[in-house]
Amino acid sequence: GAVVSQHPSWVICKSGTSVKIECRSLDFQATTMFWYRQFPKQSLMLMATSNEGSKATYEQGVEKDKFLINHASLTLSTLTVTSAHPEDSSFYICSAYGGRGSYEQYFGPGTRLTVT
Amino acid sequence: QKEVEQNSGPLSVPEGAIASLNCTYSDRGSQSFFWYRQYSGKSPELIMFIYSNGDKEDGRFTAQLNKASQYVSLLIRDSQPSDSATYLCAVGTAGGTSYGKLTFGQGTILTVHP
Repeated sequence: GAVVSQHPSWVICKSGTSVKIECRSLDFQATTMFWYRQFPKQSLMLMATSNEGSKATYEQGVEKDKFLINHASLTLSTLTVTSAHPEDSSFYICSAYGGRGSYEQYFGPGTRLTVT
Repeated sequence: QKEVEQNSGPLSVPEGAIASLNCTYSDRGSQSFFWYRQYSGKSPELIMFIYSNGDKEDGRFTAQLNKASQYVSLLIRDSQPSDSATYLCAVGTAGGTSYGKLTFGQGTILTVHP
């Protein structure tokens, strides 16, 4: 199966600072990447859809100015949590969609963000 | 609003038994259906996908899809303790701006006890 990496795997930051999370598709070109957030004992919630070379599409209720997404190449998308607050502490997971007639999404290992 | 509902858990089965996980969805335009397994603290891992009505088998796993009933299920045969995890049903559309997007169910916790 396709391999998606995320970096960092976990990060602790102070309230008010910004954190950047990288998502890379290692062995395929991802036309679309998705960013999810998962709180404890809850399912995945889609935050935004990231298409290479264009602006991200955010889900209702997700602040686009707070969660900045950049998809600069077919193998890299980044999520920046700006002015992080403790309530932003969560498990952030990206997935990459290979396209070409297939519908499968392959998930990265996730990034555990803790804001103190 | 597109919804995906999974049977409430937790589901507990003895080792070697068949575990049956169910999922219904509300959007008749849905065209792709996935089962993911998620261990605690880890990201989801794709187990199976199914696009057409009927059964699809892969090793100990069988996915069943009935679009008329808007129902998809996952059977795990010869369940092992290592199968203990949360199973997520995900449904995708394949058109327009929603291309590739998945809607996830709330997940069913499966416990396989020795």
